[in-house]
Order: sequence, then structure tokens, then C-alpha cells
Amino acid sequence: EAGVTQFPSHSVIEKGQTVTLRCDPISGHDNLYWYRRVMGKEIKFLLHFVKESKQDESGMPNNRFLAERTGGTYSTLKVQPAELEDSGVYFCASSQFREGYNEQFFGPGTRLTVL
Amino acid sequence: RKEVEQDPGPFNVPEGATVAFNCTYSNSASQSFFWYRQDCRKEPKLLMSVYSSGNEDGRFTAQLNRASQYISLLIRDSKLSDSATYLCVVNAYSGNTPLVFGKGTRLSVIA
Repeated sequence: EAGVTQFPSHSVIEKGQTVTLRCDPISGHDNLYWYRRVMGKEIKFLLHFVKESKQDESGMPNNRFLAERTGGTYSTLKVQPAELEDSGVYFCASSQFREGYNEQFFGPGTRLTVL
Repeated sequence: RKEVEQDPGPFNVPEGATVAFNCTYSNSASQSFFWYRQDCRKEPKLLMSVYSSGNEDGRFTAQLNRASQYISLLIRDSKLSDSATYLCVVNAYSGNTPLVFGKGTRLSVIA
């Protein structure tokens, strides 16, 4: 079974440009999460989709970040315009939606560098 | 105060040694607790869940003390392949809510 995939693996852009990250969750996983790790800090939650609906976007840093999950399948995270402090590794995770604990499976991450 | 606090290390230990990592969490309503392992430039992967009764998986033993809001991980007979960053992770509410991560503790096992 394919795991969570993310594209691109690396992105280097200049301040002010736009970048779109993509995440394909494990098939059948209704929960999709975006997390981010900036250098020297812990991995932090950005937002949570259940199918195509945003369940929790309390971790989104500001309105330069826009996440979508059309049709409840893959998700995109767009940063526009990018700032230097947006550099970091963006992880996507997915899990089944049911009662009790559901293991979140992480993708390999997208390493974003804003120059 | 950080929600999940860990000693960042690094812990440099010889092969065969026993090493222990500790972690504290601030949200007393937290429901689920885990140790994740993250290799350099890779994604986090679940190592084991942590239960109040304590649980063991081979050379790994995890303990949870809810009263003290403290979680531990013990690795016995360390192998070179155990070298990684160990992340203490807490799930605040239901099983579908986001995970809260500590910064991680780096372990290097030396031959």
C-alpha cells in the first residue's frame, strides 16, 4: 500500500514568490493534517481536514497560507507571498477517521527555503 | 511554557548501553501519548504508544505518569541503528485531533 506522498521534496524560492505544496494521503484516510518544522523548533500543527472540510485551522500562521482539499482526496498548501520565516519542512500526515486513537502516517515532507 | 518538553541531548552512548529519555507535558487533559522516531531528513514514524500501565516492545520500554505529567522511554542494549531523534508526542483530545510534539532528543549510538 502506498504511503503519504508529498511534492515537491524541495523548493527554493525568493521572498515574495508563491509556492504550492501538494500532499496525497493514504487512500481511504479521511483525516489529513499539515504540520511544519522550522529550524530549531518543534514540529507544529498547521491545520486539519476531515474529507474536504477544514476541521481545525488554528495553527495557520497568517492569511498568506491557504490550504485546500478538493474532493476530499489530495491537499494543497499555498504560501503567497512567501517570507523568509516560512522556511522549514512541511509535513503532511493522514489517518483514518474513527473513534479512538488513529495512527497518523507522515509523508516525507517538503523542504522549503525562502531566500 | 512549552506544551511538551524534552531534553534535546545529544545523548552519545556506546553500543550495548541503556539510555533513558524523559518528557513532560503541560496539558493535563491530554489523552494519548507516543514516542516517535525521526531519522535525519526523514519523516517522523511511530515507535510506540505509551500507556499508564507501562508497555514494552523488545528493547524499548515506555512509561506514563499521569499525576506528574511525565513520559519516559528506556532503550536497552543500544544498537547503532537506534541513532535518531526521539520525539515525545501528545494527543490532546480525541484520536482525530492534531498531535503536539516535543523538540526531540537526539541519540547517537557509537561503536
